[in-house]
Amino acid sequence: AQKVTQAQTEISVVEKEDVTLDCVYETRDTTYYLFWYKQPPSGELVFLIRRNSFDEQNEISGRYSWNFQKSTSSFNFTITASQVVDSAVYFCAVRSNTGKLIFGQGTTLQVKP
Amino acid sequence: KAGVTQTPRYLIKTRGQQVTLSCSPISGHRSVSWYQQTPGQGLQFLFEYFSETQRNKGNFPGRFSGRQFSNSRSEMNVSTLELGDSALYLCASSLKTTAGENTGELFFGEGSRLTVL
Repeated sequence: AQKVTQAQTEISVVEKEDVTLDCVYETRDTTYYLFWYKQPPSGELVFLIRRNSFDEQNEISGRYSWNFQKSTSSFNFTITASQVVDSAVYFCAVRSNTGKLIFGQGTTLQVKP
Repeated sequence: KAGVTQTPRYLIKTRGQQVTLSCSPISGHRSVSWYQQTPGQGLQFLFEYFSETQRNKGNFPGRFSGRQFSNSRSEMNVSTLELGDSALYLCASSLKTTAGENTGELFFGEGSRLTVL
């Protein structure tokens, strides 16, 4: 069975601090896809990144970066120089070839001015 | 390009009633998935539809059902509502082009928040 663990329930930082959100996944599939989504108070889940299991290259997009380590089954997300607008709930998810997304419990990030 | 649209956004029902939620996917997207979000269980997969056929189903009782129309719009229905059905129901669409593997990202709507009294 697939599982995603986001051990950090809540994180609070002061604006401009860097923050890393941890994600550990479990899957028996050899091919799988990992995702990060952001959920602002409005409720919709906003897609941030997709990574397939064969691509272990780290990725940077502006202030966001992702570290995928297959050896430790981790797919961590770092926000550099955090801003108040980054305050949201962040979900990590894994998808198998069956199609459904398995989400972690989410990490609530609060960025204080 | 319009996003995923869900209606109604909020609704209140009483136990035993039924409810129908609607989802209009992004134009051109043929795959629609539904998820339930609750504080206790988090985000859980309900079902996925592609070309009017249910392709995948989560572990929910038969009271939860859905369908997809020829224009890719989807509805989900919950019958005999229970207090525990109170949740945010999220619909997502993706640009899946075949009935097989769906590896694309999902685009979510803002959800329908159901309260069961």
